[in-house]
Amino acid sequence: ILNVEQSPQSLHVQEGDSTNFTCSFPSSNFYALHWYRWETAKSPEALFVMTLNGDEKKKGRISATLNTKEGYSYLYIKGSQPEDSATYLCASVDRDNYGQNFVFGPGTRLSVLP
Amino acid sequence: DVKVTQSSRYLVKRTGEKVFLECVQDMDHENMFWYRQDPGLGLRLIYFSYDVKMKEKGDIPEGYSVSREKKERFSLILESASTNQTSMYLCASRDVTGSHEQYFGPGTRLTVT
Repeated sequence: ILNVEQSPQSLHVQEGDSTNFTCSFPSSNFYALHWYRWETAKSPEALFVMTLNGDEKKKGRISATLNTKEGYSYLYIKGSQPEDSATYLCASVDRDNYGQNFVFGPGTRLSVLP
Repeated sequence: DVKVTQSSRYLVKRTGEKVFLECVQDMDHENMFWYRQDPGLGLRLIYFSYDVKMKEKGDIPEGYSVSREKKERFSLILESASTNQTSMYLCASRDVTGSHEQYFGPGTRLTVT
């Protein structure tokens, strides 16, 4: 079983601040890394799927980078807004199970204060 | 848009009851999954299914069973609910082509008293 870690566990920022958090995963046998945003009372929503070392993806004010050699991904939010408040989950998929199951990290809970 | 629905948002059951959690997806996905989410832990896989009548144990299958009689429906069964099964349960389905992206239902918060 892969061990996927996320830090910090929770984060409180002021509206307008930029922030970032980390997902660490085993680098051997890597296949893909997924980021999700999970707002309270809603379904987790896919943000990014990343597969290549050096990948950088962007969606509005949110971007993510991937380093498969050292086994980490960063998620950045520029100019945080209250609607960015959510739990951000990453999930790693390795080559042995790419068709079957993801291994999720515990998530980073972000609160953006107005 | 892919839609994954779950039969209940909130459930309260007594210890020893048999509990059914239903999940339906409308995108003809082969793969479906049941997870539970507990504070401080990631989503943990209970069971998954990659085809009708096929099922595989995930990381924490004890105390659960599943049923997949139709492609669009995947049911999670707690044969005899216990208090340590109080949790948030999430169903997901996956597109096995392209991005392998998972689509989640809204979750069922189950409380066992």
